[in-house]
Amino acid sequence: AQTIHQWPVAEIKAVGSPLSLGCTIKGKSSPNLYWYWQATGGTLQQLFYSITVGQVESVVQLNLSASRPKDDQFILSTEKLLLSHSGFYLCAWSLWGGAETLYFGSGTRLTVL
Amino acid sequence: GQQVQQSPSSLVLQEGENAELQCNFSSTATQLQWFYQSPGGSLVSLLSNPSGTKHTGRLTSTTVTKERRSSLHISSSQTTDSGTYLCASPANYGNEKITFGAGTKLTIKP
Repeated sequence: AQTIHQWPVAEIKAVGSPLSLGCTIKGKSSPNLYWYWQATGGTLQQLFYSITVGQVESVVQLNLSASRPKDDQFILSTEKLLLSHSGFYLCAWSLWGGAETLYFGSGTRLTVL
Repeated sequence: GQQVQQSPSSLVLQEGENAELQCNFSSTATQLQWFYQSPGGSLVSLLSNPSGTKHTGRLTSTTVTKERRSSLHISSSQTTDSGTYLCASPANYGNEKITFGAGTKLTIKP
């Protein structure tokens, strides 16, 4: 069975500090991977997607970057956090793209102070 | 790109009542997925319905593709159904850019 693990569960960070969020998928080779962000009370927005190792496409510019260093790993990061980065970050994977087979991790709640 | 509108934004019902949620999208959706987001934030897929009517348990989804709308009907609601219901669609089949609606927050009172 496939599992998706996100870390950390929650973070409280200062404005201007760096951030790294991670996501690992086990039990599925070459998944499509996605990062989503949701402001408190807001709409889920797709940030990045990756179809293969080393390739990441940006969907929404939020002064964040993403990388896929391994087939089963997806990293979201920034060198300088902004207040507007606060929210809920979700990693997801799918079998062959689109919304039909989209599976989400449990998310990371980020508070920037 | 695809735009997704959901209505109502919130809905409060008594346990046992039926809920009807709507999703409208700007361009023909070759994939249309309904998700449930728990109050804690986790998301699970409910069902996929790009066209026609599909049932699973107490859920029924009807999508009229040419009118670019989908509905989700929850029968005999339970307090555990409370949460936010989201619909999502890519712009076309296999497109990796998936747009979510703002959701309908459903509250079921005992």
